[in-house]
Amino acid sequence: ILNVEQSPQSLHVQEGDSTNFTCSFPSSNFYALHWYRWETAKSPEALFVMTLNGDEKKKGRISATLNTKEGYSYLYIKGSQPEDSATYLCASHPYNTDKLIFGTGTRLQVFP
Amino acid sequence: DADVTQTPRNRITKTGKRIMLECSQTKGHDRMYWYRQDPGLGLRLIYYSFDVKDINKGEISDGYSVSRQAQAKFSLSLESAIPNQTALYFCATSDSSTAISSGYNEQFFGPGTRLTVL
Repeated sequence: ILNVEQSPQSLHVQEGDSTNFTCSFPSSNFYALHWYRWETAKSPEALFVMTLNGDEKKKGRISATLNTKEGYSYLYIKGSQPEDSATYLCASHPYNTDKLIFGTGTRLQVFP
Repeated sequence: DADVTQTPRNRITKTGKRIMLECSQTKGHDRMYWYRQDPGLGLRLIYYSFDVKDINKGEISDGYSVSRQAQAKFSLSLESAIPNQTALYFCATSDSSTAISSGYNEQFFGPGTRLTVL
């Protein structure tokens, strides 16, 4: 079993603050990295899938980067809003398998 | 309407009872998965199915069984529930043709079933 770690476990920020958090994954046997956004009582929703070293994806105020050589991805939220409050999950997709290995998530709370 | 639905959304049961959680999808995907989520742990794979005749154990299958009644339906059973099976259970789907063409296996999740075993 490969370990995927996320930090911090939780984060509280004020509205308007920018924030970022980390997903670490084994760099060997890596194929893809998925980010999901999960609001309480709702389905986790896919944000990004990244495969190439140096990849950067952006969706509105949320962006993500990928470093496959050192095994980490950063998720950035610019100008956080209360509606960004959610748990952000990352999942590693190892090569030669169709399984995803999930991290424990970063729970973000944005206060007005 | 949601593409992946789970029933029930919440369930409280007693130790030793048999319970079934159901998952249905309208996405036309061939692959379906069952995960459990516990506080402080990532989503852990219980069982997965790549088509109606294909069932595979995940990392934590002990105490669980599944049935793939049709391409759109995948049920998870706890034959004799125990308290440490109290968790949030997620069903997910993915499409093999997309996985093959894109190379990665994007999964789509249901809203979860919160199960409490007393």
